[in-house]
Amino acid sequence: EVQLVEAGGGLVQPGGSRRLSCVVSGFTFSSYAMSWVRQAPGKGLEWVSGISSGGVPHYADSVKGRFTISRDSSRNTLHLQMTSLRAEDSAIYYCAKEGPYGDYVGDAFDVWGQGTRVTVSS
Amino acid sequence: QVVLTQSPSASAPLGASVKLTCTLDSGHTNYAIAWHQKQPEKGPRFLMKLTIDGSHTKGDGIPDRFSGSSSGAERYLTISSLQSEDEADYYCQTWGIGIRVFGGGTKLTVL
Repeated sequence: EVQLVEAGGGLVQPGGSRRLSCVVSGFTFSSYAMSWVRQAPGKGLEWVSGISSGGVPHYADSVKGRFTISRDSSRNTLHLQMTSLRAEDSAIYYCAKEGPYGDYVGDAFDVWGQGTRVTVSS
Repeated sequence: QVVLTQSPSASAPLGASVKLTCTLDSGHTNYAIAWHQKQPEKGPRFLMKLTIDGSHTKGDGIPDRFSGSSSGAERYLTISSLQSEDEADYYCQTWGIGIRVFGGGTKLTVL
């Protein structure tokens, strides 16, 4: 069974940092591009960051320079290091696997995790 | 940058059919998209990938009640024989090199 399990969410003060993790199973992690997507309270889904199977990262403008995505194929784990956090970063963060063309022109998110909540507040 | 437009809300009676629309901006009318279902307190669920010619590839376990079609810049999700558990938010998604994009979502109410 394909599974994505996020962890690392919690309450963090404005300006603080947090590292999210996503442990995957049931597929060959090293072969697929992966992404982080978030949903703020009352808002829609927003793509945050993606990384190719080879480790090339991409970021939404809203997080560029503050967030860093990485992957560890030895541990089947995707990470999102978040720094300089703002209130508007408060959201549920989801890990998502991309389809087979994710490394080329992009693809659909075909598997999702259950999410981990990040709250930025003093 | 590609833009996806969805109506904020839709409704239909239990047992009926509903057709949700996702519109690509004029510069990207040939793009494929994906449809996702988002229920409260659950992670999103991949429904299908839909191409310009209307061919679609569904996610694992997605019922036959869910189908997709295309016309020009519009991509459709049709849900037939509506059930109460279909009440959810539905998002379309597309992609380009180095970017992934979501529509604003449609909140579906089953009456």
